[in-house]
Amino acid sequence: GENVEQHPSTLSVQEGDSAVIKCTYSDSASNYFPWYKQELGKRPQLIIDIRSNVGEKKDQRIAVTLNKTAKHFSLHITETQPEDSAVYFCAAADSGGSNYKLTFGKGTLLTVNP
Amino acid sequence: DTGVSQDPRHKITKRGQNVTFRCDPISEHNRLYWYRQTLGQGPEFLTYFQNEAQLEKSRLLSDRFSAERPKGSFSTLEIQRTEQGDSAMYLCASSFGNSYEQYFGPGTRLTVT
Repeated sequence: GENVEQHPSTLSVQEGDSAVIKCTYSDSASNYFPWYKQELGKRPQLIIDIRSNVGEKKDQRIAVTLNKTAKHFSLHITETQPEDSAVYFCAAADSGGSNYKLTFGKGTLLTVNP
Repeated sequence: DTGVSQDPRHKITKRGQNVTFRCDPISEHNRLYWYRQTLGQGPEFLTYFQNEAQLEKSRLLSDRFSAERPKGSFSTLEIQRTEQGDSAMYLCASSFGNSYEQYFGPGTRLTVT
């Protein structure tokens, strides 16, 4: 089955700096890669996603890049703000059986210091 | 609130007891997923429904776990003879049609004492 590795496990940045979180996946058939933000005690919230036919996608201060050859994808947050502090999870959709189930990384705790 | 809802939000039970959780997906979402999340880990897939049909169940899932979605709307997840290792957050997610996007509920936090 699919295996998703995520790095780093913790990341601390100063407000206004950029943050980058990286993930690798193992199943070359995976074709959907979402990123979720989870604040303490709250539900995972979808913040951005990318399909395998796209190399990069941006939404205001966040962007995701995908390298299918290397089987890795990254989340980029620019101009970080304290409210960006949360745990971020990457995931990959297993396309087998058309169920689109997600395999998640272990998460990155991002702390933005004012 | 038209998002995914789950009930109860918290459940404390003694080892050996049975528990049942409920998930109400977003209206008209035909796909429903159950995941389990333990501290410091990402959500782990448990099972998947398309309408009322349970189409996949994780091989890691004990046969003490069972899930239903009788009318293709809400779903229940039952754990029989709970063990301390079952303590976790149980998350439900739903999606519509052939969309990949899954929207999560707030979860049910289970503590087995």
